[in-house]
Amino acid sequence: AQTVTQSQPEMSVQEAETVTLSCTYDTSESDYYLFWYKQPPSRQMILVIRQEAYKQQNATENRFSVNFQKAAKSFSLKISDSQLGDAAMYFCACQGAQKLVFGQGTRLTINP
Amino acid sequence: EAGVAQSPRYKIIEKRQSVAFWCNPISGHATLYWYQQILGQGPKLLIQFQNNGVVDDSQLPKDRFSAERLKGVDSTLKIQPAKLEDSAVYLCASSHVDRPDNEQFFGPGTRLTVL
Repeated sequence: AQTVTQSQPEMSVQEAETVTLSCTYDTSESDYYLFWYKQPPSRQMILVIRQEAYKQQNATENRFSVNFQKAAKSFSLKISDSQLGDAAMYFCACQGAQKLVFGQGTRLTINP
Repeated sequence: EAGVAQSPRYKIIEKRQSVAFWCNPISGHATLYWYQQILGQGPKLLIQFQNNGVVDDSQLPKDRFSAERLKGVDSTLKIQPAKLEDSAVYLCASSHVDRPDNEQFFGPGTRLTVL
């Protein structure tokens, strides 16, 4: 079974600054994927970034990057140059052979 | 490419009533998922279909919840009878069977309130 833990229920950051959201996971599978999803008030889950567990290089997608520490089972998301549109719930998720398991989420607030 | 469609967007019912939600996945996506997202929590998988067969329904409360995907395209999730604790957002997602990462594309969800 997989578990995903997000220890920060809420985070806030000043516009244009950098913020890091934490995530730890546990899985018995050797082949898996990790994701960060964004869920704005509209409720639509939007994929932000993905990481293949077999790749050592950290994934980057424009202002979004991850710090993937496989041995520590840690998968944090860094948002650079934060924008007002980044305000949302962020969910970390782990995809094993069949099931996608989500963490509890972190609510990110951007202060203008 | 059209996204995952869901209806209705909102539904309010009394406890012990029945309710049904509809989902139309992205064209060509063989795998379809229903999730329940209780306020303040991450989505929890209720059921996964591959074409019109059930892959995983281990977390579906089968005494009151049912789902079908008759022609391997659209799907319906039903709750009968509803309980107060069923108040949640119900998300539908789909994925292409050939993608190794099974990236899932989500619909806008249906917010259910049970009074």
